[in-house]
Amino acid sequence: DAKTTQPPSMDCAEGRAANLPCNHSTISGNEYVYWYRQIHSQGPQYIIHGLKNNETNEMASLIITEDRKSSTLILPHATLRDTAVYYCIDYNDMRFGAGTRLTVKP
Amino acid sequence: EAGVAQSPRYKIIEKRQSVAFWCNPISGHATLYWYQQILGQGPKLLIQFQNNGVVDDSQLPKDRFSAERLKGVDSTLKIQPAKLEDSAVYLCASSRSGGASYNEQFFGPGTRLTVL
Repeated sequence: DAKTTQPPSMDCAEGRAANLPCNHSTISGNEYVYWYRQIHSQGPQYIIHGLKNNETNEMASLIITEDRKSSTLILPHATLRDTAVYYCIDYNDMRFGAGTRLTVKP
Repeated sequence: EAGVAQSPRYKIIEKRQSVAFWCNPISGHATLYWYQQILGQGPKLLIQFQNNGVVDDSQLPKDRFSAERLKGVDSTLKIQPAKLEDSAVYLCASSRSGGASYNEQFFGPGTRLTVL
């Protein structure tokens, strides 16, 4: 089983921020958290990763709690094309769970 | 740069037949991964290569699945004999190195296998 847990589904209004949580309570101190997303019928696509500091790139922001037991992926202005399944994984474990199915609605 | 290439894109076989999938990673990527994704589930890592050596094959059903990465570049994944439960999308991914600090994986389009 994956070492991360995520809600199975979420909805978000187009143009609003989408906040996707992930629990990784058993992660150790040197294990990175990676986020990927998978749009229907495509291979997963890398989004962002982090260790303990918050990270931002052109796609998203990643907020990691100080105790590193959870993180939140933020898509600041969700579009319809962001509808996908989002996975957070512990790099050292490399086990994808079922992910969160995000549906962006107009 | 060219992405990860996989072939075939689709394959339909009868149970107990054999099948092979091919993957060509991004040039210069040392690490190659094979995943199995059953409908409605996340990808499951089958095997990870670092150059032409196996790093992790703990979830590979070795009685029927085999994989090789000759010369540390292309890779093939074989199933022999196939079972109905092997119906899935087989994804290949590659990354620059196996290090944790920056190990973005690039995924291919996958091969959709249907076992009848």
